[in-house]
Amino acid sequence: EVQLVESGGGLVQPGRSLKLSCLASGFTFSNYGMNWIRQAPGKGLEWVASISSSSSYIYYADTVKGRFTISRDNAKNTLYLQMTSLRSEDTALYYCARPKFLTTVAPFAYWGQGTLVTVSS
Amino acid sequence: DIQMTQSPSFLSASVGDRVTINCKASQNINRYLNWYQQKLGEAPKLLIYNANSLQTGIPSRFSGSGSGTDFTLTISSLQPEDVATYFCLQHNSWPFTFGSGTKLEIK
Repeated sequence: EVQLVESGGGLVQPGRSLKLSCLASGFTFSNYGMNWIRQAPGKGLEWVASISSSSSYIYYADTVKGRFTISRDNAKNTLYLQMTSLRSEDTALYYCARPKFLTTVAPFAYWGQGTLVTVSS
Repeated sequence: DIQMTQSPSFLSASVGDRVTINCKASQNINRYLNWYQQKLGEAPKLLIYNANSLQTGIPSRFSGSGSGTDFTLTISSLQPEDVATYFCLQHNSWPFTFGSGTKLEIK
């Protein structure tokens, strides 16, 4: 069974940093691209970043480009999101998601339960 | 960036009704359009991928259609468990973009 478990969220002051993790199990992690998607409280979904299986290709939303870094450790079956210079508008539930197919990073077929990041002083 | 205009934003229908939700892309996205269902307090669930392919385990009352810029999610006979918010997502080009959502309630 595919499982994705996010961790690392919490309350952080504006301008500070936070690193999220997503531990994957139930599939060969190194074969799949991965994604981060976020959802502000009571709002819609926003794609944040994607990374290919070997980290060769990485893409970011303009709203986080230059501040967030997606990475992965295939030996540890773990996806990361390093977030710096956090803003109040980054407050959201952050999901990691695995695509349905090996060859692309979408569609997002498997989702974790999310980890909540709150940016506030 | 490709904008996804989803309508309606709110929908109230009766059990057994046929329900349609629409997404319009600001430019051609071929068939790279997915539909998600999100129930309160849960992660989104993939219903339809590549415009009209039913995800494994999803009831056949859900279907998708369209290509290019106009897409539709149809629930052929609304069930009480279908109460949720529905989102479309385009993955034709970066950045991937979601529709704003349709909140579906039972009348």
